[in-house]
Amino acid sequence: EVQVVESGGGLVQPGGSLRLSCAASGFSVSRYYMTWVRQVPGKGLEWVSVIYAGGTPYYPDSAKGRFTISRDISKNTVSLEMNSLRPDDSAIYYCARGKSVRDGMDVWGQGTTVIVSS
Amino acid sequence: DIQMTQSPSSLSASVGDRVTITCRASQSISDYLNWYQQKPGKAPKLLVYAASSLESGVPSRFSGSGSGRDFTLTISSLQPEDFASYYCQQSYNTLGTFGQGTKLE
Repeated sequence: EVQVVESGGGLVQPGGSLRLSCAASGFSVSRYYMTWVRQVPGKGLEWVSVIYAGGTPYYPDSAKGRFTISRDISKNTVSLEMNSLRPDDSAIYYCARGKSVRDGMDVWGQGTTVIVSS
Repeated sequence: DIQMTQSPSSLSASVGDRVTITCRASQSISDYLNWYQQKPGKAPKLLVYAASSLESGVPSRFSGSGSGRDFTLTISSLQPEDFASYYCQQSYNTLGTFGQGTKLE
């Protein structure tokens, strides 16, 4: 079965760090672009990062310099290292597989919740 | 950045209704437009990609159309399980932006 499962969310203090993981099964993360998308409950969807099949990462300005996406092909996982966390980073973080560069994201995990609060 | 504007933000409808949601891009994005459905407490689900291609397993009552800047998602006959939020997303450039969503209630 093709699926992704996120883990690593939790409560962290402002300025702290957290590492999210996304375990993929049924496909190889080396052959697709993989993304992290977040959502504040009741609000819209926001890209956090993407790593393309060739390994190139991209970040929006809100994450640049603080977040790092990486992948471990041998473990078939994608990770998101988040530093200097702020309260407005609190959200549900979804890992998703890109169907292709043009064709959207066709496999989503159930999400992992990050709360940044003192 | 390309801005995506959906309308309406919320929509009241009844089972059996024909429903149309629109999405406008701030610049031309060809057919690089995808639609997602999200139910409460669940992850988004891809419905339509490349503006008009139905994702495998998605009921045929869903359809997408448009190109350039203006796009629509149509549900031909609303079913009880279709009450959800819908998001458009452009994939024309990296980190393709999402619309703000339409809540169908």
